[in-house]
Amino acid sequence: NAGVTQTPKFQVLKTGQSMTLQCAQDMNHEYMSWYRQDPGMGLRLIHYSVGAGITDQGEVPNGYNVSRSTTEDFPLRLLSAAPSQTSVYFCASRWGLDTEAFFGQGTRLTVV
Amino acid sequence: DAKTTQPNSMESNEEEPVHLPCNHSTISGTDYIHWYRQLPSQGPEYVIHGLTSNVNNRMASLAIAEDRKSSTLILHRATLRDAAVYYCILRSRKAAGNKLTFGGGTRVLVKP
Repeated sequence: NAGVTQTPKFQVLKTGQSMTLQCAQDMNHEYMSWYRQDPGMGLRLIHYSVGAGITDQGEVPNGYNVSRSTTEDFPLRLLSAAPSQTSVYFCASRWGLDTEAFFGQGTRLTVV
Repeated sequence: DAKTTQPNSMESNEEEPVHLPCNHSTISGTDYIHWYRQLPSQGPEYVIHGLTSNVNNRMASLAIAEDRKSSTLILHRATLRDAAVYYCILRSRKAAGNKLTFGGGTRVLVKP
């Protein structure tokens, strides 16, 4: 069982570069989310999706775009990386509103 | 979102029970109480959730006060692998999308 797979695990970007963080799940979950976690803090929601073709903003969406063309994949795009986006990014999926969420192992991003 | 209050840290001896308190005095009738934990350098992991009644699963028990203004996560026999940050989260059935609001959590240290 792969669960939620995030790639890459580590990434270093220069300020102004763009990149896409990949997230895939093989559990046929409708709900998917992206969170960021800064050192010593809890997770904050960036964007989420309640199904293919449907996305919405979370608490901290600025500087990020998402799309959901399939149930399995939910990529997160950084449009123009900034040092403030240095963080660990987690993707999560769940089957329904009140079911358990499954998290990926995270992508550690450093913007220099 | 209703807020939760947890102690910053707790210590326990291996093979002893751990009781993790969570206060949520502004909880509404539609809020579920969720617990997740995060081991070092990993994504959050679901532990348990409940609405009104006490809940048990293979990982832990959740005791919910009768007025629902507080709850306690119980790890029956702590192991070294249980050392993690434990997050108490309220999730409203009315909340849009997939949001889990993470606070600071309780860091649990398990001594051998």
